[in-house]
Amino acid sequence: AQSVTQLGSHVSVSEGALVLLRCNYSSSVPPYLFWYVQYPNQGLQLLLKYTTGATLVKGINGFEAEFKKSETSFHLTKPSAHMSDAAEYFCAVSVTDKLIFGTGTRLQVFP
Amino acid sequence: DTAVSQTPKYLVTQMGNDKSIKCEQNLGHDTMYWYKQDSKKFLKIMFSYNNKELIINETVPNRFSPKSPDKAHLNLHINSLELGDSAVYFCASSSRGDYNEQFFGPGTRLTVL
Repeated sequence: AQSVTQLGSHVSVSEGALVLLRCNYSSSVPPYLFWYVQYPNQGLQLLLKYTTGATLVKGINGFEAEFKKSETSFHLTKPSAHMSDAAEYFCAVSVTDKLIFGTGTRLQVFP
Repeated sequence: DTAVSQTPKYLVTQMGNDKSIKCEQNLGHDTMYWYKQDSKKFLKIMFSYNNKELIINETVPNRFSPKSPDKAHLNLHINSLELGDSAVYFCASSSRGDYNEQFFGPGTRLTVL
Protein backbone atom coordinates (compact mmCIF):
# COMPACT_ATOMS: atom_id res chain seq x y z
CA ALA A 1 0.00 0.00 0.00
CA GLN A 2 1.18 3.48 -0.78
CA SER A 3 2.20 5.68 2.10
CA VAL A 4 4.26 8.75 2.97
CA THR A 5 6.54 9.35 5.94
CA GLN A 6 7.75 12.79 6.91
CA LEU A 7 10.72 12.68 9.24
CA GLY A 8 10.65 15.41 11.84
CA SER A 9 7.41 17.00 12.94
CA HIS A 10 9.25 20.26 13.67
CA VAL A 11 12.20 21.85 11.91
CA SER A 12 13.79 25.12 13.03
CA VAL A 13 16.24 27.15 10.96
CA SER A 14 17.71 30.62 11.04
CA GLU A 15 16.77 33.13 8.40
CA GLY A 16 19.09 32.65 5.45
CA ALA A 17 19.92 29.04 6.30
CA LEU A 18 19.22 25.99 4.18
CA VAL A 19 15.79 24.41 4.55
CA LEU A 20 15.56 20.61 4.26
CA LEU A 21 12.27 18.83 4.87
CA ARG A 22 12.32 15.08 4.50
CA CYS A 23 9.77 12.86 2.82
CA ASN A 24 9.97 9.14 2.07
CA TYR A 25 7.30 7.26 0.20
CA SER A 26 6.22 3.71 -0.25
CA SER A 27 4.63 2.82 -3.56
CA SER A 28 4.26 -0.31 -5.65
CA VAL A 29 3.92 1.72 -8.84
CA PRO A 30 5.76 4.81 -10.14
CA PRO A 31 4.55 7.49 -7.75
CA TYR A 32 3.14 10.90 -8.33
CA LEU A 33 4.40 13.07 -5.46
CA PHE A 34 3.43 16.47 -4.14
CA TRP A 35 4.48 19.04 -1.59
CA TYR A 36 1.85 21.36 -0.16
CA VAL A 37 2.28 24.30 2.22
CA GLN A 38 -0.27 25.47 4.77
CA TYR A 39 0.12 28.94 6.25
CA PRO A 40 -1.64 29.64 9.55
CA ASN A 41 -5.43 29.64 9.24
CA GLN A 42 -5.30 28.94 5.52
CA GLY A 43 -5.91 26.07 3.16
CA LEU A 44 -3.23 23.98 1.49
CA GLN A 45 -1.35 25.42 -1.46
CA LEU A 46 0.59 23.36 -3.97
CA LEU A 47 4.34 24.04 -3.81
CA LEU A 48 5.48 21.55 -6.45
CA LYS A 49 4.82 18.14 -7.91
CA TYR A 50 6.63 15.23 -9.53
CA THR A 51 4.78 13.22 -12.13
CA THR A 52 7.20 12.05 -14.81
CA GLY A 53 10.35 13.34 -16.47
CA ALA A 54 12.95 15.48 -14.74
CA THR A 55 13.62 14.30 -11.22
CA LEU A 56 14.58 17.75 -9.91
CA VAL A 57 11.39 19.73 -9.64
CA LYS A 58 11.22 23.46 -9.03
CA GLY A 59 8.27 25.02 -7.30
CA ILE A 60 7.04 28.36 -6.05
CA ASN A 61 8.82 30.60 -3.54
CA GLY A 62 12.25 29.19 -4.35
CA PHE A 63 11.53 25.62 -3.21
CA GLU A 64 12.63 22.53 -5.07
CA ALA A 65 12.52 18.79 -4.52
CA GLU A 66 14.37 15.86 -5.99
CA PHE A 67 12.75 12.52 -6.71
CA LYS A 68 15.20 9.72 -5.86
CA LYS A 69 13.77 6.35 -6.75
CA SER A 70 16.69 4.41 -5.24
CA GLU A 71 16.12 6.09 -1.88
CA THR A 72 12.29 6.33 -2.21
CA SER A 73 12.65 9.96 -1.21
CA PHE A 74 11.25 13.31 -2.27
CA HIS A 75 12.93 15.81 0.06
CA LEU A 76 12.04 19.50 -0.12
CA THR A 77 14.79 22.11 -0.04
CA LYS A 78 15.27 25.84 -0.20
CA PRO A 79 18.77 27.40 -0.21
CA SER A 80 17.93 30.36 2.00
CA ALA A 81 15.04 30.48 4.45
CA HIS A 82 12.87 33.54 4.78
CA MET A 83 10.68 34.47 7.72
CA SER A 84 7.64 34.12 5.46
CA ASP A 85 8.45 30.42 4.94
CA ALA A 86 7.24 29.59 8.44
CA ALA A 87 4.33 27.21 7.87
CA GLU A 88 3.23 23.58 7.91
CA TYR A 89 4.48 21.47 5.00
CA PHE A 90 2.85 18.29 3.76
CA CYS A 91 4.22 15.64 1.44
CA ALA A 92 1.63 13.55 -0.44
CA VAL A 93 1.52 10.59 -2.82
CA SER A 94 -1.22 10.05 -5.39
CA VAL A 95 -3.11 6.76 -5.04
CA THR A 96 -5.85 5.90 -7.55
CA ASP A 97 -8.50 8.51 -6.79
CA LYS A 98 -6.96 10.26 -3.79
CA LEU A 99 -3.89 11.74 -2.15
CA ILE A 100 -2.28 10.16 0.88
CA PHE A 101 -0.73 12.86 3.05
CA GLY A 102 2.15 12.66 5.47
CA THR A 103 1.74 13.91 9.01
CA GLY A 104 3.26 17.29 8.21
CA THR A 105 6.39 19.20 9.25
CA ARG A 106 6.17 22.56 10.97
CA LEU A 107 8.93 24.88 9.80
CA GLN A 108 10.00 27.65 12.15
CA VAL A 109 12.33 30.40 10.95
CA PHE A 110 14.26 32.46 13.48
CA PRO A 111 15.70 35.91 12.75
CA ASP B 1 -11.61 35.05 -8.25
CA THR B 2 -11.66 32.37 -5.58
CA ALA B 3 -10.98 28.92 -7.07
CA VAL B 4 -12.39 26.81 -4.24
CA SER B 5 -14.59 28.55 -1.70
CA GLN B 6 -16.22 27.32 1.48
CA THR B 7 -18.89 28.76 3.72
CA PRO B 8 -18.89 29.41 6.55
CA LYS B 9 -15.29 29.98 7.57
CA TYR B 10 -16.10 29.54 11.26
CA LEU B 11 -18.89 27.52 12.80
CA VAL B 12 -19.54 27.35 16.54
CA THR B 13 -22.41 25.19 17.70
CA GLN B 14 -23.74 23.08 20.53
CA MET B 15 -23.55 19.30 20.81
CA GLY B 16 -26.51 17.59 19.22
CA ASN B 17 -27.14 20.26 16.60
CA ASP B 18 -27.18 19.71 12.84
CA LYS B 19 -25.02 21.88 10.59
CA SER B 20 -23.96 22.16 6.96
CA ILE B 21 -20.82 23.36 5.21
CA LYS B 22 -20.91 24.40 1.57
CA CYS B 23 -18.19 24.19 -1.04
CA GLU B 24 -18.01 25.56 -4.57
CA GLN B 25 -15.26 25.41 -7.18
CA ASN B 26 -14.98 27.44 -10.37
CA LEU B 27 -12.03 25.55 -11.87
CA GLY B 28 -14.11 23.29 -14.09
CA HIS B 29 -12.94 20.22 -12.18
CA ASP B 30 -14.96 17.01 -12.13
CA THR B 31 -13.87 15.66 -8.74
CA MET B 32 -14.38 17.14 -5.28
CA TYR B 33 -13.30 16.04 -1.81
CA TRP B 34 -13.90 16.62 1.87
CA TYR B 35 -11.02 16.35 4.33
CA LYS B 36 -10.92 16.61 8.11
CA GLN B 37 -7.84 18.14 9.77
CA ASP B 38 -7.51 17.48 13.47
CA SER B 39 -5.75 19.53 16.11
CA LYS B 40 -2.43 17.84 15.28
CA LYS B 41 -2.79 18.93 11.65
CA PHE B 42 -3.35 15.38 10.43
CA LEU B 43 -5.33 15.38 7.18
CA LYS B 44 -7.81 12.59 6.60
CA ILE B 45 -9.93 12.20 3.51
CA MET B 46 -13.62 11.68 4.19
CA PHE B 47 -15.42 11.65 0.86
CA SER B 48 -14.85 12.15 -2.82
CA TYR B 49 -17.32 12.76 -5.63
CA ASN B 50 -16.68 12.50 -9.35
CA ASN B 51 -19.34 14.00 -11.60
CA LYS B 52 -21.83 13.92 -8.72
CA GLU B 53 -21.10 10.25 -8.03
CA LEU B 54 -19.66 9.14 -4.69
CA ILE B 55 -16.33 7.38 -5.32
CA ILE B 56 -14.62 7.50 -1.94
CA ASN B 57 -16.35 7.00 1.39
CA GLU B 58 -13.80 6.42 4.11
CA THR B 59 -14.87 5.12 7.52
CA VAL B 60 -16.86 8.15 8.52
CA PRO B 61 -19.86 8.05 10.89
CA ASN B 62 -23.27 7.99 9.23
CA ARG B 63 -23.94 11.35 10.83
CA PHE B 64 -21.85 12.84 8.02
CA SER B 65 -23.64 13.04 4.69
CA PRO B 66 -22.15 14.66 1.61
CA LYS B 67 -24.30 15.92 -1.23
CA SER B 68 -23.22 17.01 -4.68
CA PRO B 69 -25.96 18.83 -6.57
CA ASP B 70 -23.65 19.39 -9.53
CA LYS B 71 -19.96 19.09 -10.48
CA ALA B 72 -19.13 22.50 -9.04
CA HIS B 73 -20.66 22.01 -5.59
CA LEU B 74 -20.12 19.59 -2.74
CA ASN B 75 -21.84 20.14 0.58
CA LEU B 76 -21.33 18.38 3.89
CA HIS B 77 -24.17 17.93 6.34
CA ILE B 78 -23.47 16.77 9.86
CA ASN B 79 -26.19 15.48 12.15
CA SER B 80 -26.12 15.26 15.95
CA LEU B 81 -22.78 17.00 16.33
CA GLU B 82 -20.34 15.62 18.89
CA LEU B 83 -17.36 17.17 20.67
CA GLY B 84 -15.03 15.00 18.60
CA ASP B 85 -16.30 16.59 15.40
CA SER B 86 -14.44 19.78 16.27
CA ALA B 87 -11.83 20.21 13.55
CA VAL B 88 -11.06 22.12 10.39
CA TYR B 89 -12.86 20.76 7.33
CA PHE B 90 -11.34 21.33 3.92
CA CYS B 91 -12.93 21.02 0.55
CA ALA B 92 -10.72 20.31 -2.47
CA SER B 93 -11.15 19.70 -6.18
CA SER B 94 -9.23 18.13 -9.03
CA SER B 95 -9.56 16.90 -12.58
CA ARG B 96 -9.68 13.13 -12.71
CA GLY B 97 -6.64 11.86 -14.51
CA ASP B 98 -4.57 14.93 -13.64
CA TYR B 99 -2.40 12.97 -11.17
CA ASN B 100 -4.85 13.86 -8.38
CA GLU B 101 -3.38 17.35 -8.10
CA GLN B 102 -5.84 18.96 -5.74
CA PHE B 103 -6.79 22.56 -5.09
CA PHE B 104 -7.95 23.34 -1.57
CA GLY B 105 -10.47 25.72 -0.11
CA PRO B 106 -9.67 27.95 2.87
CA GLY B 107 -11.25 25.58 5.39
CA THR B 108 -14.15 25.72 7.85
CA ARG B 109 -13.23 25.67 11.53
CA LEU B 110 -15.98 23.79 13.37
CA THR B 111 -16.14 24.09 17.13
CA VAL B 112 -18.64 21.95 19.01
CA LEU B 113 -19.34 23.06 22.58
